[in-house]
Order: sequence, then structure tokens, then C-alpha cells
Amino acid sequence: GAGVSQSPSNKVTEKGKDVELRCDPISGHTALYWYRQSLGQGLEFLIYFQGNSAPDKSGLPSDRFSAERTGGSVSTLTIQRTQQEDSAVYLCASSDDRAGETQYFGPGTRLLVL
Amino acid sequence: QKEVEQNSGPLSVPEGAIASLNCTYSDRVSQSFFWYRQYSGKSPELIMSIYSNGDKEDGRFTAQLNKASQYVSLLIRDSQPSDSATYLCAVNMSPRSGNTGKLIFGQGTTLQVKP
Repeated sequence: GAGVSQSPSNKVTEKGKDVELRCDPISGHTALYWYRQSLGQGLEFLIYFQGNSAPDKSGLPSDRFSAERTGGSVSTLTIQRTQQEDSAVYLCASSDDRAGETQYFGPGTRLLVL
Repeated sequence: QKEVEQNSGPLSVPEGAIASLNCTYSDRVSQSFFWYRQYSGKSPELIMSIYSNGDKEDGRFTAQLNKASQYVSLLIRDSQPSDSATYLCAVNMSPRSGNTGKLIFGQGTTLQVKP
């Protein structure tokens, strides 16, 4: 399996709880992205990691959202004190800079905040 | 004004017809343009990328780019029911082609191909 993987595939949580979403990019890909897709909507950019550079956090909707990428590979998106409006599908993508900007998406994590 | 705009549809075409999907973008310095297909409940998959003005063909798919008009389109020839999906236009608004960066997506156009 050489694709992008994400876990969990589904997450149901209660309002106010913290959640962690994980992304394993394609091996060797230097860039990693997080997007959010609400029901019937397009993809909303959240954050972008490129190699050892400082991440582009310009899409994070509030300070409850944070992400890290350890060792240039696996990334974790953390949402603190979840709200009902955080319910969405969270998609991770990775790309190889040498191949251009083609981004390959993982299957996503469906988050439901009750 | 949204940075990337698409008609949400649904666009309905009969099987075998040409489906035409359109997208406009706001930033003139954009260099890289992408069409993704997303089936219901699935993640997006890349169909086409285009970087230069003109047409780019790949099988039944043709992407068309007009930077002067800030317009990119996707034509699907001989449409099949299996083409029924949401098509997302995405733009890398970096001024440097080849610079990996965040994509700005349109809302997507839902295509229905009727047998």
C-alpha cells in the first residue's frame, strides 16, 4: 500500500473534547497538506508542511486547531475543545516536489461532534 | 469574490454527450491548475493538470486554459454514467510554477450522466 493513509476513518466525539487525527503520507513525499470538507462543500485548506520549512498555517480556522509533522513524515492534526461546526471530513494529501504539485489524497477522517 | 468559482450544478448530460465543466479564478499570477474528480463518499483523485494556455488532452478528457480570461475548463467526451461525480477545480496561486504549495479549490460541479 503506497498511498496516503489516515486514521481513524471515523470519529465521533462530544462537544468540548479534544481529538487527534493522523496522516501517513506517501513515503518520500516532502509536502503534506490538511484540508477540511464540510457536507456538500469544496475543500478548505488548513495547513501545509514543506520539508523543514515553517508550516503555512494560514488556513487554520481558530487557535483550537494545530498540527505537527514529526520527522518529516507522519502528521497529526489536533482539534481542542471541539465544536459542532468542526464536524466535517478531514483530508490529508501529500506531494513530491520533484514531480510538481500533484497532490495525492488519503481517504479522510469523518469527524462528528455531538 | 471567491478565489476559485464553479457552477455547483448539477450538470446533467445524456450518455455519449460532451460534458463541459467551467472554472474561473481571481489571481492573475496563478500558474498551475488541476481538475479532481470526487465520487460520493470518496476522496478526490486527480484527473488533469494544466500549466500553459491552450488545450491538453488525455483520453476522453480535455483541459482548456485561458490565463488572459482567468478561465479553465474540462471537457469530457463520450460521457459515461461512471463519470457521474463532483468535479473540483483547483488552483495553485503561487507565482512560480513547480513550487509546491496549497491549492485553492472551487466548490465543485456535480455531473450526472444519464443512461
